[in-house]
Amino acid sequence: GEDVEQSLFLSVREGDSSVINCTYTDSSSTYLYWYKQEPGAGLQLLTYIFSNMDMKQDQRLTVLLNKKDKHLSLRIADTQTGDSAIYFCAEIPNSGNTPLVFGKGTRLSVIA
Amino acid sequence: GAVVSQHPSWVICKSGTSVKIECRSLDFQATTMFWYRQFPKQSLMLMATSNEGSKATYEQGVEKDKFLINHASLTLSTLTVTSAHPEDSSFYICSARDIDRLNTEAFFGQGTRLTVV
Repeated sequence: GEDVEQSLFLSVREGDSSVINCTYTDSSSTYLYWYKQEPGAGLQLLTYIFSNMDMKQDQRLTVLLNKKDKHLSLRIADTQTGDSAIYFCAEIPNSGNTPLVFGKGTRLSVIA
Repeated sequence: GAVVSQHPSWVICKSGTSVKIECRSLDFQATTMFWYRQFPKQSLMLMATSNEGSKATYEQGVEKDKFLINHASLTLSTLTVTSAHPEDSSFYICSARDIDRLNTEAFFGQGTRLTVV
């Protein structure tokens, strides 16, 4: 079945860049997503990338997609303490109205 | 952007009572909504897929008589935790996608933290 893997923890210093990595197994995925979850809150969509793209940039966020290796990354430039949260990578395994498949989430800690 | 409203955001109930959680898509229609459960420091676990006008589809291991789902309209799905017990305490999150944009982003409610005492 579909599987999405992420490293569980990442710690960076304020002002540095953070890179959160994700691998997925389903090559038919059409969209891949990054969500942010702050403590006690729901999921906030940060960005998504269509599978025929290899990069997407949105302000401090850069998403890189290597479809051959099924590898997705999220880079946060100039990381701030407010970026501390859990970041989930997710994919839609196939077209249609199917649920997202999530990774276990990467807990980003930003040290001042 | 599209908004999914989930209510209540938190609830405390006594063991044995039932609790209803609502999930509404505010500015789009959703034939399908998804209900997730999240344990502390863990990822989201899909519980069931709620289909407008028909029965929900439950994931393996999720008791359909325990977690009743109703999706009576294109903008509202409800999850009722029946005869709640302390082990049902968790964070429940709903998700919906715009019926006209099925292959794009999914929107999530803010979640409901259920505590059963």
